[in-house]
Amino acid sequence: DQQVKQNSPSLSVQEGRISILNCDYTNSMFDYFLWYKKYPAEGPTFLISISSIKDKNEDGRFTVFLNKSAKHLSLHIVPSQPGDSAVYFCAAISSGYGQNFVFGPGTRLSVLP
Amino acid sequence: DVKVTQSSRYLVKRTGEKVFLECVQDMDHENMFWYRQDPGLGLRLIYFSYDVKMKEKGDIPEGYSVSREKKERFSLILESASTNQTSMYLCASSLGTGHSPLHFGNGTRLTVT
Repeated sequence: DQQVKQNSPSLSVQEGRISILNCDYTNSMFDYFLWYKKYPAEGPTFLISISSIKDKNEDGRFTVFLNKSAKHLSLHIVPSQPGDSAVYFCAAISSGYGQNFVFGPGTRLSVLP
Repeated sequence: DVKVTQSSRYLVKRTGEKVFLECVQDMDHENMFWYRQDPGLGLRLIYFSYDVKMKEKGDIPEGYSVSREKKERFSLILESASTNQTSMYLCASSLGTGHSPLHFGNGTRLTVT
């Protein structure tokens, strides 16, 4: 059973609009969450993270929101650009359990010009 | 910038062959990881290592082994390749702290025929 879920395999958004990528988790021990972005033929690159003691973290056009009670986080990209088209992976980790990151299955974002 | 280099981008091997996937990082990171990426399943951890000559099983270690003789190099070995090991293999490294993000190589696309 997947502990980190991304229920939308794909998402299409118009350039300039907001992209919202969602992630749900089941393990209440997770206390740190990351988003990675992956282009074809490249490895994933770290995008943004959030600790469970926060409910929001912002970095430029990217904002991650965490709702602990719902075990849900989301990545907002505003405004979306064609270069944002990629697969986005949500990942989670429990402190004290080493660096055993658990990844979701990914969401493919297409930003249309 | 951290550089994680995987020796091959594409490999085609026959069933039963012994396969070596090599990974080198240049930032003196303590931790190194091997993942495989499959559609709909995200990234799944095969093995990881927190130090030279140390190794720990991840979520799907069956059919694989690893070697870490030097800090910068982490090898994944398929003792007898099978068709269900056809996948994208990703190597990653990180600092020793719990929340340090992973830095990935560009991946090796392995096809076992």
